[in-house]
Amino acid sequence: EIVLTQSPGTLSLSPGERATLSCRASQSVSSSYLAWYQQKPGQAPRLLIYGASSRATGIPDRFSGSGSGTDFSLTISRLEPEDFAVYYCQQYGSSPRTFGQGTKVEIK
Amino acid sequence: QVQLLQSGAEVKKPGASVKVSCKASGYPFTSYYMHWVRQAPGQGLEWMGIIYPSDGSTTYAQKLQGRVTMTRDTSTSTVYMELSSLRSEDTAVYYCARDRASGWGAFDIWGQGTMVTVSS
Repeated sequence: EIVLTQSPGTLSLSPGERATLSCRASQSVSSSYLAWYQQKPGQAPRLLIYGASSRATGIPDRFSGSGSGTDFSLTISRLEPEDFAVYYCQQYGSSPRTFGQGTKVEIK
Repeated sequence: QVQLLQSGAEVKKPGASVKVSCKASGYPFTSYYMHWVRQAPGQGLEWMGIIYPSDGSTTYAQKLQGRVTMTRDTSTSTVYMELSSLRSEDTAVYYCARDRASGWGAFDIWGQGTMVTVSS
């Protein structure tokens, strides 16, 4: 199975700052089948990015994804108060689908 | 609107079984694969398996093979996930999630989650 390793574990930033989250795969993710999700406490995850770089419906353009092969990243250009949450990457190109362990973006 | 509505919280004893439901609305039920994902308290997300509502075909995570069964009822647009021989490590929030693209897509719609607690 493909293991996804996210870094850093926690990112402490202020509103308005730029956030860059990393996701590294143990083997190449086929066809860039890589997604990013946001999860807030007590809520289900929400799809942000699919296909490594395509924004899901209704996702603001301050969220962007990039990467291919084994290295992917999620960038939030300017953090809004509602962006402080946990972010997970996921590969869905092979079975089992797997998730990273998550990166928490917290208010500094 | 498109939504997935799950059944309520459950408390079970070790060794028992639990069956969680997920009712879909707002889209053609049989056209989209459905996944189940669980999340233990304070932990990350774990994929459990996938079902195709059109024909009922399933694929399960190897770790859960033999204990998990996913079924569907097309008359009520509902999918079910049953987990047997429950142990304390199965305590988690269980989510159903729609696949956006023919079984090999990201998960675009999620249910609200069902808390399953396994305790003696």
